[in-house]
Amino acid sequence: GAVVSQHPSRVICKSGTSVKIECRSLDFQATTMFWYRQFPKQSLMLMATSNEGSKATYEQGVEKDKFLINHASLTLSTLTVTSAHPEDSSFYICSARPKSTGDLYGEQYFGPGTRLTVT
Amino acid sequence: AQSVTQLDSHVSVSEGTPVLLRCNYSSSYSPSLFWYVQHPNKGLQLLLKYTSAATLVKGINGFEAEFKKSETSFHLTKPSAHMSDAAEYFCVVTLWGGKLIFGQGTELSVKP
Repeated sequence: GAVVSQHPSRVICKSGTSVKIECRSLDFQATTMFWYRQFPKQSLMLMATSNEGSKATYEQGVEKDKFLINHASLTLSTLTVTSAHPEDSSFYICSARPKSTGDLYGEQYFGPGTRLTVT
Repeated sequence: AQSVTQLDSHVSVSEGTPVLLRCNYSSSYSPSLFWYVQHPNKGLQLLLKYTSAATLVKGINGFEAEFKKSETSFHLTKPSAHMSDAAEYFCVVTLWGGKLIFGQGTELSVKP
């Protein structure tokens, strides 16, 4: 149980184009999903918190107009990188917190990640 | 403010020898702490979690961690390393509301 999928696993796009990454909780409902970015050999950095039916909350320094997040249902959140540039190339990972999880514990289940390369 | 520090960026052990990955935390309230493992180009897998029920926490694949409030530590251990344990390990503290704060990560290498 508690499986989170991401699609695509890898994507290569040209500079200036937009790319959408999907994050799905397969066997549970997730009121909250999180989007992280990970550079090679570095830790995960939280980009934004996505709550179903409301606007995402972005961390300081993350451009909300560049990284569009939509959490349209309890099992799906999408991250769209708009007008991508080579510096946006990174490993993007989502996580989902089950609807039944209390705030105190904050356990999350992670997707396998999406490798974005912008040429 | 909550924070977590992993004391070693890289640990190398021989197969069959013990593993110790060190983590110190800072928290203004009783924290929830996690250890996650990440294999190359993969997502994160939860190894174990501490949520104040017991100070010695057992996880998957033979790993365990002990919460020591006096030392503000949550070190990860395993009695005998296996080649498949080679990966990146993250110590994580949670904020109220579910946000996670990640340590810098420790790369574990296992030599045959």
